Amino acid sequence: QQQVKQSPQSLIVQKGGISIINCAYENTAFDYFPWYQQFPGKGPALLIAIRPDVSEKKEGRFTISFNKSAKQFSLHIMDSQPGDSATYFCAASRRAGSGGGADGLTFGKGTHLIIQP
Amino acid sequence: DAGVTQSPTHLIKTRGQQVTLRCSPKSGHDTVSWYQQALGQGPQFIFQYYEEEERQRGNFPDRFSGHQFPNYSSELNVNALLLGDSALYLCASSLRLLSGRQPQHFGDGTRLSIL
Repeated sequence: QQQVKQSPQSLIVQKGGISIINCAYENTAFDYFPWYQQFPGKGPALLIAIRPDVSEKKEGRFTISFNKSAKQFSLHIMDSQPGDSATYFCAASRRAGSGGGADGLTFGKGTHLIIQP
Repeated sequence: DAGVTQSPTHLIKTRGQQVTLRCSPKSGHDTVSWYQQALGQGPQFIFQYYEEEERQRGNFPDRFSGHQFPNYSSELNVNALLLGDSALYLCASSLRLLSGRQPQHFGDGTRLSIL
């Protein structure tokens, strides 16, 4: 059972355009939704994260939109640049319990983004 | 400030062998999680260690085991290696917070190839 579904699998965007990647989740206990960027040969790097009590979060050119009722969230990359070409993963986790901490992250399958100059 | 460091970077083993991968967390972090990333796929959670104990485990067999040391570093052990264990093994560290919303920082992984 795939708990986080990510689309599209691959995406080509012209330089200066907007890149949009979508994710949907099933587990309503999830309460933390990060996005990671991964370059070949490197580990995932945290880009931006959101909590379900916020509908939108913006950091520089990166924006997360969150729709709790639809159980969907998306990443928007404004003014996309060739350096943004990478694989992007959405993820989700939930609190581990009253003692603090969080469960391991559940990742989507990734989106291979190519920004054409 | 060193980030998450993993060793070795690459490893080649044969079926049936055993392997140990190592991870040093980011300074100030006390929780270590391990993930397996097959080629072209998202990382899959193996298990998490906090206070030297396994706190949570993903859907992986008992061949996968781990350890956390008093200095918060960690090891991942895999016994009876199978061809399907070929993957990038990622370590992530975080600081355990009551809110549960701590960001996980990843190392660059160990590429394990099984022949």
